[in-house]
Amino acid sequence: ELKVEQNPLFLSMQEGKNYTIYCNYSTTSDRLYWYRQDPGKSLESLFVLLSNGAVKQEGRLMASLDTKARLSTLHITAAVHDLSATYFCAVSWATSYGKLTFGQGTILTVHP
Amino acid sequence: DAGVTQSPTHLIKTRGQQVTLRCSPISGHKSVSWYQQVLGQGPQFIFQYYEKEERGRGNFPDRFSARQFPNYSSELNVNALLLGDSALYLCASSLSTGEGYTFGSGTRLTVV
Repeated sequence: ELKVEQNPLFLSMQEGKNYTIYCNYSTTSDRLYWYRQDPGKSLESLFVLLSNGAVKQEGRLMASLDTKARLSTLHITAAVHDLSATYFCAVSWATSYGKLTFGQGTILTVHP
Repeated sequence: DAGVTQSPTHLIKTRGQQVTLRCSPISGHKSVSWYQQVLGQGPQFIFQYYEKEERGRGNFPDRFSARQFPNYSSELNVNALLLGDSALYLCASSLSTGEGYTFGSGTRLTVV
């Protein structure tokens, strides 16, 4: 069974601090996605990572991919309150394009 | 440009009834996928359609069905509704089956 696991599931941070969310997946993946979801809202695409060693950055968020370790990280730098949301990673496989398998999500709360 | 549009935004149905949810993809996108997101969990893949053909199906009962029309819009039908079908139903579109996915705002279905 294909599995995607995130940790931590809950993350409470102070503004200005750094932290990392981890995403492990069980079999070789072709693409890894990071999404943000605000309460009651849809999913906002953050990053798409396509190859080993890929690193992408947008503002205070940086995502990386290690396909050999089957691990992606989402690093948060100098957190601000506006980053409070649920973050999901998802993977797709070459044999099942169109099907994204999501992790459980990490609920991030940034406190003043 | 319009994003992925879903209708209705909210729906309340009684157990045993049938429901149809609608999705219009981004102009030019030929692939539509459907996901179910139960409160507190990551989205679960239901179906993917590309060029009007079913390309993938998740682990959902036969009560769930879908189709894609010549204009690439899509409908998701659920028969014999159960309380457990209460969820946010998300539609995602992409250019092809392996591209990045843009999600709609979802339909919140409540079964009572």
